[in-house]
Amino acid sequence: DQQVKQNSPSLSVQEGRISILNCDYTNSMFDYFLWYKKYPAEGPTFLISISSIKDKNEDGRFTVFLNKSAKHLSLHIVPSQPGDSAVYFCAASASWGNYQLIWGAGTKLIIKP
Amino acid sequence: NAGVTQTPKFRVLKTGQSMTLLCAQDMNHEYMYWYRQDPGMGLRLIHYSVGEGTTAKGEVPDGYNVSRLKKQNFLLGLESAAPSQTSVYFCASSTARDRGEETQYFGPGTRLLVL
Repeated sequence: DQQVKQNSPSLSVQEGRISILNCDYTNSMFDYFLWYKKYPAEGPTFLISISSIKDKNEDGRFTVFLNKSAKHLSLHIVPSQPGDSAVYFCAASASWGNYQLIWGAGTKLIIKP
Repeated sequence: NAGVTQTPKFRVLKTGQSMTLLCAQDMNHEYMYWYRQDPGMGLRLIHYSVGEGTTAKGEVPDGYNVSRLKKQNFLLGLESAAPSQTSVYFCASSTARDRGEETQYFGPGTRLLVL
């Protein structure tokens, strides 16, 4: 049973427009959420995170929104740039937990020129 | 400052062979992790370590063993490789957790093919 779901395997967006990547979770004990970005033949790199005490966190062009009642988070990238083309993973953890991050399957973002 | 490094980058094994994957980090991180990534799936935790000399099982530990004899190194062993262990393996490290908030730093991955 997948506790963290990214239902869109891929997303194509025009350069300069907004990219919105979505993530749903089922475990209400999760209280910390992260987005990682991965280029081919490289390991994932941390992008942005949000604690469950917040509903929004912003870092430059990247904003993560958390809707706890819907168990849903989204990553907004504005404006989208060619270098944003990558696979984006959503991950979640629980502060009571055993050090495990639970990962979604990833969404491949393609930025079209 | 190399961050997290993994060796080898790619390896082909025959069923039943053994091998060890090496992970090294130079960030003085306490925690280290081994993940596998399979097509269409997120990263799944194999084993992890919260400090030198300690290891613990993750989500998918069967068929793997680990050792953390030195703080900077985390070894993943396959005693008898099976085709189901064909995957990309990632090592990661992080500082001590605070209320579950942590950023993990990843190596570039090891691609393993078991025939």
